[in-house]
Amino acid sequence: GAGVSQSPSNKVTEKGKDVELRCDPISGHTALYWYRQSLGQGLEFLIYFQGNSAPDKSGLPSDRFSAERTGGSVSTLTIQRTQQEDSAVYLCASSFERVGAEAFFGQGTRLTVV
Amino acid sequence: AQSVTQPDIHITVSEGASLELRCNYSYGATPYLFWYVQSPGQGLQLLLKYFSGDTLVQGIKGFEAEFKRSQSSFNLRKPSVHWSDAAEYFCAVGPFGNEKLTFGTGTRLTIIP
Repeated sequence: GAGVSQSPSNKVTEKGKDVELRCDPISGHTALYWYRQSLGQGLEFLIYFQGNSAPDKSGLPSDRFSAERTGGSVSTLTIQRTQQEDSAVYLCASSFERVGAEAFFGQGTRLTVV
Repeated sequence: AQSVTQPDIHITVSEGASLELRCNYSYGATPYLFWYVQSPGQGLQLLLKYFSGDTLVQGIKGFEAEFKRSQSSFNLRKPSVHWSDAAEYFCAVGPFGNEKLTFGTGTRLTIIP
């Protein structure tokens, strides 16, 4: 597709369950980012994949959060044993790897933990 | 640590009026600064960015922003707003570009006829 695609668009899960959120970046973009947007908050950086380098995981809030990127393209963000405070919109973005390259954001996955 | 402050949570302006959204940042080196817009149900769209050079940058949709190092500010302006500008606006700062951007909490813009 022409833009960053995220699925599902909405996810309701029970507390304690695991969830997987998917991001399909723009073809050719080697940099991929995950952010979390909580109600009334700005966007919070989670993780950054850059080409074949080790990802920058410094923003992951706990060890329940993990992410991988297969084949330098699709990325999956996994949240284990979900908690109510994990409820948020999870946004993925991708860009070319050069300074000044614009990051394009997907429409996000709204996660609700009940 | 870098931080961004958007002091106005919600602003209401009349259609056709001018607009200024405030953004103050804290960063230890030369910052890369961004303004994004998020319309309801949409992802973020980049309005403009500042990396270096001319401190007045032009963006899409008639927006501009001015970088003032002495005031640590990067305010967004538009001379005449349109109803379609109603959205949430986020200011962000980053070390090199897009990675590890720090976002402000956003300003919600409402346009009244």
